[in-house]
Amino acid sequence: KAGVTQTPRYLIKTRGQQVTLSCSPISGHRSVSWYQQTPGQGLQFLFEYFSETQRNKGNFPGRFSGRQFSNSRSEMNVSTLELGDSALYLCASSNPATLAKNIQYFGAGTRLSVL
Amino acid sequence: AQSVAQPEDQVNVAEGNPLTVKCTYSVSGNPYLFWYVQYPNRGLQFLLKYITGDNLVKGSYGFEAEFNKSQTSFHLKKPSALVSDSALYFCAVRPITGANNLFFGTGTRLTVIP
Repeated sequence: KAGVTQTPRYLIKTRGQQVTLSCSPISGHRSVSWYQQTPGQGLQFLFEYFSETQRNKGNFPGRFSGRQFSNSRSEMNVSTLELGDSALYLCASSNPATLAKNIQYFGAGTRLSVL
Repeated sequence: AQSVAQPEDQVNVAEGNPLTVKCTYSVSGNPYLFWYVQYPNRGLQFLLKYITGDNLVKGSYGFEAEFNKSQTSFHLKKPSALVSDSALYFCAVRPITGANNLFFGTGTRLTVIP
């Protein structure tokens, strides 16, 4: 099975712009979660989508949004970029048929640099 | 609330020696605990998990972890370290409330010295 695929791998944007990141989950996985990784804050949960619905959300401003399509692919959008949004954005997919056994599998990430 | 602490930012160990990467947790009720490893410019790779049952959990690449409820710890161990084990290790906890998100520790950088 192919793993979690994130595109693009690298992005450079300037302040005030917006950006869209894409994530294709492992085939058959219906849950997609997004995380932000920075040296200062570590790994922080952004949101989770399941069956095209946002099921859970972390503590991030409304500039961060996402969506999930019927094929379980997900996109994450950040509007009005700030310097502090520079980070590695990780996507993880899982198949929560049984929550206890659920393992999240991560993609390689998209490294976003905001100048 | 749930949280994870990794008290050591850096762990150095000689190749062939046993290694331990420490993790303590704070969570209401019984925890779901995980270890992930991150290599440079890569995402997180799943190593092992504890849900219930045997306190000693075996995972990928010869790693294991011991769940200790009284000490609220979930230390990662390996009997004989390899240079290729050098990486960033994250402990994580997931609430049992039904939410599917992980709370991560700050990470421990493991360096195995040849």
